[in-house]
Amino acid sequence: GAGVSQTPSNKVTEKGKYVELRCDPISGHTALYWYRQSLGQGPEFLIYFQGTGAADDSGLPNDRFFAVRPEGSVSTLKIQRTERGDSAVYLCASSRGLPITSGGKTHNEQFFGPGTRLTVL
Amino acid sequence: DQQVKQNSPSLSVQEGRISILNCDYTNSMFDYFLWYKKYPAEGPTFLISISSIKDKNEDGRFTVFLNKSAKHLSLHIVPSQPGDSAVYFCAASLYAGGTSYGKLTFGQGTILTVHP
Repeated sequence: GAGVSQTPSNKVTEKGKYVELRCDPISGHTALYWYRQSLGQGPEFLIYFQGTGAADDSGLPNDRFFAVRPEGSVSTLKIQRTERGDSAVYLCASSRGLPITSGGKTHNEQFFGPGTRLTVL
Repeated sequence: DQQVKQNSPSLSVQEGRISILNCDYTNSMFDYFLWYKKYPAEGPTFLISISSIKDKNEDGRFTVFLNKSAKHLSLHIVPSQPGDSAVYFCAASLYAGGTSYGKLTFGQGTILTVHP
């Protein structure tokens, strides 16, 4: 089946502009996550959706960042007044939902999309 | 503060040998650990995980070891193959009384190169 898809794959913009990054999760996955990966670093959590609601947006760096998931499927990450420091790869991941533990093993595989590389000039 | 650390930026191994990737964490509340593998221009893909109630989990050529007292985990790949060459990230998660949601905290990654 289709995996997580993200569009665009690359986005170049000028400082101060507004950008939208889109994520199409795996069909049926209720949990959706956004992460940001800067050069030489691991992904950093931004926001988590369970269904349509943002259950945790504690990773958003400031109020220029906002994300929505109006129908509980596709999500859009929106960045206003972009700054050069926003340049990074933005990753989206989805999973079936809350983790479950069975036989001492916990299952919560997050499937990641290929990311959107954002460059702010 | 970096709660999950991978102190080796890179590792080079001969094909057929063992690869050992290390990861340390500081938050003792973490109770679920994962390894992800990442190729260029692709998203991370899940490799193997371990719950904090276990100290070892094995899946084919991949074994993850967890030492809770040392707050240390490692990934062993035996035998290593050239196709294993990628960036490996360890990640940790926190389950707070079953109400958590799997938010992952990642290390910085280790670039593994397996030479033929």
